Amino acid sequence: DSGVTQTPKHLITATGQRVTLRCSPRSGDLSVYWYQQSLDQGLQFLIQYYNGEERAKGNILERFSAQQFPDLHSELNLSSLELGDSALYFCASSVVATGVGETQYFGPGTRLLVL
Amino acid sequence: AQSVAQPEDQVNVAEGNPLTVKCTYSVSGNPYLFWYVQYPNRGLQFLLKYITGDNLVKGSYGFEAEFNKSQTSFHLKKPSALVSDSALYFCAVRDDSGAGSYQLTFGKGTKLSVIP
Repeated sequence: DSGVTQTPKHLITATGQRVTLRCSPRSGDLSVYWYQQSLDQGLQFLIQYYNGEERAKGNILERFSAQQFPDLHSELNLSSLELGDSALYFCASSVVATGVGETQYFGPGTRLLVL
Repeated sequence: AQSVAQPEDQVNVAEGNPLTVKCTYSVSGNPYLFWYVQYPNRGLQFLLKYITGDNLVKGSYGFEAEFNKSQTSFHLKKPSALVSDSALYFCAVRDDSGAGSYQLTFGKGTKLSVIP
């Protein structure tokens, strides 16, 4: 158990809908990362937050957004869902944002199925 | 831009035999290299990392990895494979080129099957 929690574990929804994925980082970790894992794209970085502020953006669609709250938990919002958004979404956390050699610890993921 | 290649989609090895999972990387600055393992329906578990220092890095569950700068490789190894090592293995890299972002770039993963 990495100490990173994600809810829900599974989510089934329809095209065009909006969902929110939640992540709680390890105690003491200030940085949260979101990744998407799909069969065709592999594991891709979406976005990073550090202590409430956006720090870096990767291959995140405009339909997707995220935020980190004062208690350091983070939410990833996915809207106008398409079939291709079906994937496993991981959250990871680390202590700080600037330690290049720092380990990221991953949560168990949320499996999203868009029908 | 940084990238990672895992040239083998699948590696099969007999239980008790040594295993190697290959990884090569490309970065513009100094490489910081990681190995993660993913069991079915589970998240990624950290195995080991190379930051600096000794080229041979030891990690969890008896795994080790060898950093080779001239060959830009970071192969994962274990002297004696267990059936329970069967999983999906990911190599990842982060560089210190100063671009300001610290996300990991992952390889496509290698499925390891250890045959009893």
